[in-house]
Amino acid sequence: QKEVEQNSGPLSVPEGAIASLNCTYSDRGSQSFFWYRQYSGKSPELIMSIYSNGDKEDGRFTAQLNKASQYVSLLIRDSQPSDSATYLCAVNDGDMGRRALTFGSGTRLQVQP
Amino acid sequence: EPEVTQTPSHQVTQMGQEVILRCVPISNHLYFYWYRQILGQKVEFLVSFYNNEISEKSEIFDDQFSVERPDGSNFTLKIRSTKLEDSAMYFCASSGDPSNQPQHFGDGTRLSIL
Repeated sequence: QKEVEQNSGPLSVPEGAIASLNCTYSDRGSQSFFWYRQYSGKSPELIMSIYSNGDKEDGRFTAQLNKASQYVSLLIRDSQPSDSATYLCAVNDGDMGRRALTFGSGTRLQVQP
Repeated sequence: EPEVTQTPSHQVTQMGQEVILRCVPISNHLYFYWYRQILGQKVEFLVSFYNNEISEKSEIFDDQFSVERPDGSNFTLKIRSTKLEDSAMYFCASSGDPSNQPQHFGDGTRLSIL
């Protein structure tokens, strides 16, 4: 059973701070990694995708991947109240043509004004 | 920016009835997916579809579920005889080559079974 684990939170940070969200996955064959943001009652919205070890930056967001440790993280710099949402880590193993994303249960982020 | 569109936004159906959820994927995407999210739980994969056939399905996607691409733009999920436990948000997603392109989700259909 492939698992994606996240701390459910809530993670509370003050406005302007860095929020650090973490995710571990069980399938060492996983190849593609995604962070989605989900506001309450809404659909997952893609924030970042990362496919190789290291860091990938996009605006205030940085995704970090360490395949040896089976760990992927998301840093949000200069956090804003509008960043308050649940952040979903999703993994695709890409093995034998698999397309399915396996999602974690999400980390709820609260940015305090 | 292109987006995945889903209709209806909310569907209320009596238990045992058939329901069809509709999706229009992003126009140049070739891979299509359905996921569901029961209230308070994880997003769960149901099925993926490529080249007019199912490429992968989960244990949830049993004989009461089916998918179809009836024309060049729509992608549908049919639940033949709904059960109370089918109540959930159903999300359609689409992507280009999944080896290097992410899946983009529609706004979802909230399905309520009475």
